[in-house]
This record gives sequence, C-alpha cells and structure tokens, in this order.
Amino acid sequence: QSALTQPASVSGSPGQSITISCTGTSSDVGSYNLVSWYQQHPGKAPKLMIYEVSKRPSGVSNRFSGSKSGNTASLTISGLQAEDEADYYCCSYAGSSTFEVVFGGGTKLTVL
Amino acid sequence: EVQLVESGGGLIQPGGSLRLSCAASGFTVSSNYMSWVRQAPGKGLEWVSVIYSGGSTYYADSVKGRFTISRDNSKNTLYLQMNSLRAEDTAVYYCARDKGYYYGDWGQGTLVTVSS
Repeated sequence: QSALTQPASVSGSPGQSITISCTGTSSDVGSYNLVSWYQQHPGKAPKLMIYEVSKRPSGVSNRFSGSKSGNTASLTISGLQAEDEADYYCCSYAGSSTFEVVFGGGTKLTVL
Repeated sequence: EVQLVESGGGLIQPGGSLRLSCAASGFTVSSNYMSWVRQAPGKGLEWVSVIYSGGSTYYADSVKGRFTISRDNSKNTLYLQMNSLRAEDTAVYYCARDKGYYYGDWGQGTLVTVSS
C-alpha cells in the first residue's frame, strides 16, 4: 500500500481556520471509517487528535474536527492558535485480507 | 495513568540485531492490541507491526521476515526483535496502544541507528 497523500505545508493566521486534506484510495480511506489524525510537535511523540474520521478523544479541543468524502479525509482546525503549529499526519486502516495501516506523508502547519 | 516507556535503541551495524522493549503501566498489554510505529529522521510515520490481544501478529512488508513482535504478560512489556538490520531501518521506534486501528497512547520513542 502507498502512503496517503497530504499537502507538504499549510499556513494560517491566528483565529483563522485551515483544512488539511488526506487522499487515499478505495482500498483504504474510501473503504473504512477508520481514519485518524495525529499532531506532532518537534522532538515529541505523536498525539491522537481525531479517530474514526470525526471523533475527538477526551481532552482534545473542539477546534479540531474531521470529515471524509469518498477517498479523501480532512482535518479542520478553527480559531488557529500559536500552539497548533506542528506536523499533522493522517492514518487509515487499509487491510482486508491482511492487516495493514497506512499513514500520510505529513503536513507542516505554520501559524503566521 | 497510562505510560509507555521504550528502551533498547542504539547504534548497530548493518546485518545486526537489536531488541526493543516497551514497558507499559496503567493498563494490561495482553488485553490490548499493541503496535510499533517508526519514524525515519525528518520523515513521516510508518506502521511496523501489531500484536492482537489474542496473539495474532502482522507486519509491514518492509520488515516481514526480519522483525518479530512479542509480549511478556508477566512483565506487562511489549518487544520488537529486529534482525538483519538495514540502513533504511534507522528511525525512532514508538510503541503505541492500538485502540482499533488508531493509536491513543504513545511512548516517547527510542532511536535505532543502523550504520557502519
């Protein structure tokens, strides 16, 4: 399985909203509602922000939301804050006959 | 509080072997799906392996036949035995609790460098 496709970078000003796309195929994103999103600050472990396309773990700000349409999933961050500047990775289950999970290449979010 | 602590990383020559450990606290490893995910320097995340609570194991094609995931229930610890290491295996290796094809808890990672 190939990695999911994300834009290399996105940027926005404080208070604005941004959306990061994650494009897969009918074998992964398009077939399963098992897309998750992770935030990673430099030198730190990834942190789960969204799971099962649009669910937020306890403690994650409601400024973060997820959605999916066809083979493309999206992460939207509203009311951008300086601390949102980080790398973001999408992830999808991709296995049917065998277990497989694929990640996106990551998107660097810059808060201007 | 859930905590995952990896250890065992280091510098190893190509062709060598290394065993990573991931000590868990706050939950029972054997009752959960547990995964290893790696990140090459400056690169993205890559799923490596998973062990189901029932004991079934799965591997990414890139490590199949070379890596073995296992656990010690008495020590509540997850392992990754890595053999025939290659330069492209150089990465930070994270263990993660798999909540159903998503990773809710992560360790801090351990760096494996494969180089002569």
